[in-house]
Amino acid sequence: DVKVTQSSRYLVKRTGEKVFLECVQDMDHENMFWYRQDPGLGLRLIYFSYDVKMKEKGDIPEGYSVSREKKERFSLILESASTNQTSMYLCASSREGLPIYGYTFGSGTRLTVV
Amino acid sequence: AQTVTQSQPEMSVQEAETVTLSCTYDTSESDYYLFWYKQPPSRQMILVIRQEAYKQQNATENRFSVNFQKAAKSFSLKISDSQLGDAAMYFCASQRPDSNYQLIWGAGTKLIIKP
Repeated sequence: DVKVTQSSRYLVKRTGEKVFLECVQDMDHENMFWYRQDPGLGLRLIYFSYDVKMKEKGDIPEGYSVSREKKERFSLILESASTNQTSMYLCASSREGLPIYGYTFGSGTRLTVV
Repeated sequence: AQTVTQSQPEMSVQEAETVTLSCTYDTSESDYYLFWYKQPPSRQMILVIRQEAYKQQNATENRFSVNFQKAAKSFSLKISDSQLGDAAMYFCASQRPDSNYQLIWGAGTKLIIKP
């Protein structure tokens, strides 16, 4: 069964901490995405990557960075966590080209910054 | 900016009945993909159904079907014979212009199934 695995289901971090959210996919997908999900706002794209070491900013990149050193792994980094980054974070992957197959999602990481 | 609008934050339906979730979108493209995703309490988003805009025929997947009105930029999801397992958040998404792999998402509709 193909999957996208997010390393943590729940995380609680303190303000100012550096936070790493990890995502691994086993489908050899070229594209990987980090979304933030907040009630009433749907999914907002933070960053995406279309190849190893390649990344592009999404709609809300401020306060975040990413790393993709290997094709299967895409990490989201909160350089200095703040309370307004408390949210659900979803990782997704997709094949190259037209999104005919859609995305495959992980189960999400619910991050609380206190 | 391109937008996707789901005007119903929450819907409820009696088990075994039919419910329709609405979605409108805004695009200047002539060919694009549209999607409905389901997010159950387990939180993992699951693809329910997709529609390619140039295809006139409405997509169908078992109890799930869409009413695609291209001119009106409307893409509603009909769930027939609703089951308790259909309870979830439903998100509509459209392909972002000039992108082969980015989607734009609606805010979601919470579907409640009454036993």
